[in-house]
Amino acid sequence: GAGVSQSPRYKVTKRGQDVALRCDPISGHVSLYWYRQALGQGPEFLTYFNYEAQQDKSGLPNDRFSAERPEGSISTLTIQRTEQRDSAMYRCASSLRTSRADTQYFGPGTRLTVL
Amino acid sequence: GQQLNQSPQSMFIQEGEDVSMNCTSSSIFNTWLWYKQDPGEGPVLLIALYKAGELTSNGRLTAQFGITRKDSFLNISASIPSDVGIYFCAGQRTYGQNFVFGPGTRLSVLP
Repeated sequence: GAGVSQSPRYKVTKRGQDVALRCDPISGHVSLYWYRQALGQGPEFLTYFNYEAQQDKSGLPNDRFSAERPEGSISTLTIQRTEQRDSAMYRCASSLRTSRADTQYFGPGTRLTVL
Repeated sequence: GQQLNQSPQSMFIQEGEDVSMNCTSSSIFNTWLWYKQDPGEGPVLLIALYKAGELTSNGRLTAQFGITRKDSFLNISASIPSDVGIYFCAGQRTYGQNFVFGPGTRLSVLP
């Protein structure tokens, strides 16, 4: 079946603008994760959901970042009043079960550039 | 916070050679994962390890969960050009916690 999809694949925005990044997990996957990946680094955890409930948002850098998954499927990561330091690859992953030891399948990412 | 170290940072090898890389932590982990990331793509899971001492293979790849639970190793035998990419380890300290990713090992295979 289809893998995790993310849109847009590339987003260029001006500093101060809000952006919304979308993640469409694998159908039937219960858990959904958001990561941020800087160039040359491994993914850095931001937040995750089981169904529609946000279980852990400890990785969100500050209160300009928020995420939702209202119907337990598609998720949106929103960054308000973007800053240049927000520029990075934002990756979404999903897993079939709720255990965090379960295999996570990553999407292709959204590359965000803040000018 | 928790940090993982991977070595080497990068390596250049000849096609056909075997490769070894490792991942270390100052903390004990109960789960180790190894991912490969191709340019422009998301990480793809290669091997998952759940018990200390566990040795698991996936084709030409073999990974081990270190006995101390503070490290893990990945070996690739008879490397081929498509092995090129960045290899990430990820560890989970206790069930219910997040996975922490290492900085990656960049592998280049020379023909």
